[in-house]
Amino acid sequence: QLHLQESGPGLVKPSETLSLTCTVSGASISSGVHYWDWVRQSPGKGLEWIGNIYYSGNTSYSGTTNYNPSLKSRVTISIDTSKNQFSLKLNSVTAADTALYYCARHDEDRNDPFDYWGQGTLVTVSS
Amino acid sequence: SYVLTQPLSLSVAPGETARLPCGGNNIEGKSVHWYQQKPGQAPVVVITYDDDRPPGIPERFSGSNSDNTATLTISRVEAGDEADYYCQVWDDGSDHYVFGTGTKVTVL
Repeated sequence: QLHLQESGPGLVKPSETLSLTCTVSGASISSGVHYWDWVRQSPGKGLEWIGNIYYSGNTSYSGTTNYNPSLKSRVTISIDTSKNQFSLKLNSVTAADTALYYCARHDEDRNDPFDYWGQGTLVTVSS
Repeated sequence: SYVLTQPLSLSVAPGETARLPCGGNNIEGKSVHWYQQKPGQAPVVVITYDDDRPPGIPERFSGSNSDNTATLTISRVEAGDEADYYCQVWDDGSDHYVFGTGTKVTVL
């Protein structure tokens, strides 16, 4: 059974960089073809897709990223297959970035649903 | 950008049927997934590709998609169905993922 677990600081100062890691267990992140995603949920609000990274062990465009245009200028998603992890960096944060951040996965078709989710980690932006 | 619209809330009595709409321009041409999110928990997918039920999801959950509206139907509603429900699509026009605004289902 695949398991995703987010980790990272729960408090970030305004204007600094939010950094989170998602550790994947139960399967190798480099096996198969998947999209590894980040989704966030502001307190009392709905779900917002942040972006994803596509990984396949045997294609030239493995590692391709795709970001929500509203966040694109501030977001970087990367993958570390040696650690079975993928990461999120969001720079120049403000209070509006305070949210519960989830990592998730969906299969190789862009139409596929988000079938596995982490439990989420709360990040508060405050001085 | 593509927008999915859901009613903010819906109240339903136990044993009754809840119908949760998700409106979007030409949504019938897209694949709609539905997620259930209970307080303090991550979302769980309950309907995929408009009307498929993942393993372990009760038959009481069903979906449809036509005429600019996708609908999640919960039959014989139980207290345990009380949750927030989100629809979601991949917008091929922008290559981005969109969630609906979410509907809070309250079981009376």
